[in-house]
Amino acid sequence: QKEVEQNSGPLSVPEGAIASLNCTYSDRGSQSFFWYRQYSGKSPELIMSIYSNGDKEDGRFTAQLNKASQYVSLLIRDSQPSDSATYLCAVNPAGSYQLTFGKGTKLSVIP
Amino acid sequence: DVKVTQSSRYLVKRTGEKVFLECVQDMDHENMFWYRQDPGLGLRLIYFSYDVKMKEKGDIPEGYSVSREKKERFSLILESASTNQTSMYLCASKTHTGTDTQYFGPGTRLTVL
Repeated sequence: QKEVEQNSGPLSVPEGAIASLNCTYSDRGSQSFFWYRQYSGKSPELIMSIYSNGDKEDGRFTAQLNKASQYVSLLIRDSQPSDSATYLCAVNPAGSYQLTFGKGTKLSVIP
Repeated sequence: DVKVTQSSRYLVKRTGEKVFLECVQDMDHENMFWYRQDPGLGLRLIYFSYDVKMKEKGDIPEGYSVSREKKERFSLILESASTNQTSMYLCASKTHTGTDTQYFGPGTRLTVL
């Protein structure tokens, strides 16, 4: 069973702080990694994708990938109340058409 | 602008009714998926399709069936709705390429009374 694990939270951070969200995966052959944001009652939307070891930055978001440790993380700098949502980690295992999703981490940014 | 649409945002049905949920994508994607999402259980894959008329069971196919007669349309069918099928249903699509993004529809909140 290919698994993706996330801390369910809730993770609470003050406005302006850095939020750090973590994810581990079991399939060592996985090649593609995605972070989705989901607001309450809405569908998931992609915010970051990463395919190579290291960091990838996009505005206030940085995704980090370490394939040796089977670990992917998302950092949100200067957190805003509008970042309050559930963040889903998704992994595309090798040879698969489908993504495997974690259960999500709920983030609350406190004004 | 990419788009996945679902036929209804909210649906209320009675136990035993046959329920159809429709999903349409305009991105010419080969793969389409149906998930349900429940608090504490995350996204669970019901069925997926990698081509027209092709379907594969996901993790929780019991009580559901699907139809894909055209590339852009993927339907989820509840043959005889039950109260434990009350949930948020999400459709998604993506290409065969592993690095490509999977896009979600807006979701259908189904309540079975």
